[in-house]
Amino acid sequence: GAVVSQHPSRVICKSGTSVKIECRSLDFQATTMFWYRQFPKQSLMLMATSNEGSKATYEQGVEKDKFLINHASLTLSTLTVTSAHPEDSSFYICSARTVLETQYFGPGTRLLVL
Amino acid sequence: GDSVTQMEGPVTLSEEAFLTINCTYTATGYPSLFWYVQYPGEGLQLLLKATKADDKGSNKGFEATYRKETTSFHLEKGSVQVSDSAVYFCALSEDPGGYNKLIFGAGTRLAVHP
Repeated sequence: GAVVSQHPSRVICKSGTSVKIECRSLDFQATTMFWYRQFPKQSLMLMATSNEGSKATYEQGVEKDKFLINHASLTLSTLTVTSAHPEDSSFYICSARTVLETQYFGPGTRLLVL
Repeated sequence: GDSVTQMEGPVTLSEEAFLTINCTYTATGYPSLFWYVQYPGEGLQLLLKATKADDKGSNKGFEATYRKETTSFHLEKGSVQVSDSAVYFCALSEDPGGYNKLIFGAGTRLAVHP
C-alpha cells in the first residue's frame, strides 16, 4: 500500500520556539493532505485540510497563525507550530490521498513543549 | 456535531479469545463508518468499512455491522492472535470513502498474550 512518512517522530522544544513537522507521501502524489491532533485519551481531531498549491482550510477553533501549513509540492506538506507552548504538546498525525482515494496515514509526531 | 465514542482500553485477551470493541456514533446525516488499525510505529490503516445501514464490513477475520437503530458499529473477531495487538480506531465520514473529513473515536488498545 501507499506509504506516508513523518519527520521527526518525536520532538522536545522549549516554550516560545517554533517547530516544523514534515509529512511526505513516498510512493504517490498527494493532491490533498490532512493534519490531525490527538491529546491523551482523546480522539484524533482534524486540524486542517490542504490541497497542493492552495491555502489550507482550517477547522473551527484551530488558529491558522499558530499552526502554519504549507503544501508546496505533491509529496510534501509541513506543519509549523509557531511560538509553541506546553498546551500544544500533543500527537500530530498527517494523512495524504490522491483524488477520490482513501487517506493514508503517517505514523505521527509526538511534540513535547517544556 | 457528529461524534464517535468507543470503549476505553486497554483490552487484554489471551490468544484465540473472542474480541468485541464497542463503537457508537452520533450523526445528523447518513455517515459511512470505518475501523482503522494502528500497529506500533506505523500509520493508521483502514481495516474495514460500511457505507449504509445493515452493511457488514469484514477483513482479516474482523467484522463490523452498521446498525442504524442502535447507532453502533462494534468490531468483532472470533479468535484473536498476538499479531492483532494494536490500537483500533472507529471513525465516521459524511462521504462514502472517507476521502475527506474523518471523525474518530479515542482509540482502543488491544493487547493479545500467548
